[in-house]
Amino acid sequence: KQEVTQIPAALSVPEGENLVLNCSFTDSAIYNLQWFRQDPGKGLTSLLLIQSSQREQTSGRLNASLDKSSGRSTLYIAASQPGDSATYLCAVFRTSYDKVIFGPGTSLSVIP
Amino acid sequence: DAGVIQSPRHEVTEMGQEVTLRCKPISGHDYLFWYRQTMMRGLELLIYFNNNVPIDDSGMPEDRFSAKMPNASFSTLKIQPSEPRDSAVYFCTSSTERSYGYTFGSGTRLTVV
Repeated sequence: KQEVTQIPAALSVPEGENLVLNCSFTDSAIYNLQWFRQDPGKGLTSLLLIQSSQREQTSGRLNASLDKSSGRSTLYIAASQPGDSATYLCAVFRTSYDKVIFGPGTSLSVIP
Repeated sequence: DAGVIQSPRHEVTEMGQEVTLRCKPISGHDYLFWYRQTMMRGLELLIYFNNNVPIDDSGMPEDRFSAKMPNASFSTLKIQPSEPRDSAVYFCTSSTERSYGYTFGSGTRLTVV
């Protein structure tokens, strides 16, 4: 049974700092991994998708890496801003039409 | 494409009332999933459909929950009777075999008082 964990559960950093969010999954037989952002009371916004054959994906100040063999992914946020404050969720799935297994999320607070 | 559309955005109802949540998947997608998000359990799958047919409903918590997909462009999740512990955010998403990732609807925040 696939299980996804995220460390840390919560993180508070001063504005401008670079930070790393961690995601671990127990079954390496994944199709893809997707990072989402969720603002309080809002929906899920997809940030980055990493296909199982890829090692990393970048979008602006965000960089996500994937190491399938070790069951790990990291989300790197450069030069953090108060607007980055949100909960970040890691999600894995075995096929393009399989149920998504979510991690519990990391709650990020960037202090001005 | 308008993405996955859910309605209503917010629903407040009294215990014992029937609640119906709606979802319109992305056009051309033949898989549809319903998820529930709570503080205690996070995001968990309730049920999913393929070509309008329910494939896995093992996540549906009780018989009070039911879901239908009468056609490729519409699905409902019904709770009857509703209870305060059903209060949560319900998300819908869709996909196809050619998809790489998932786009979620904006969710329905349900409050049962």
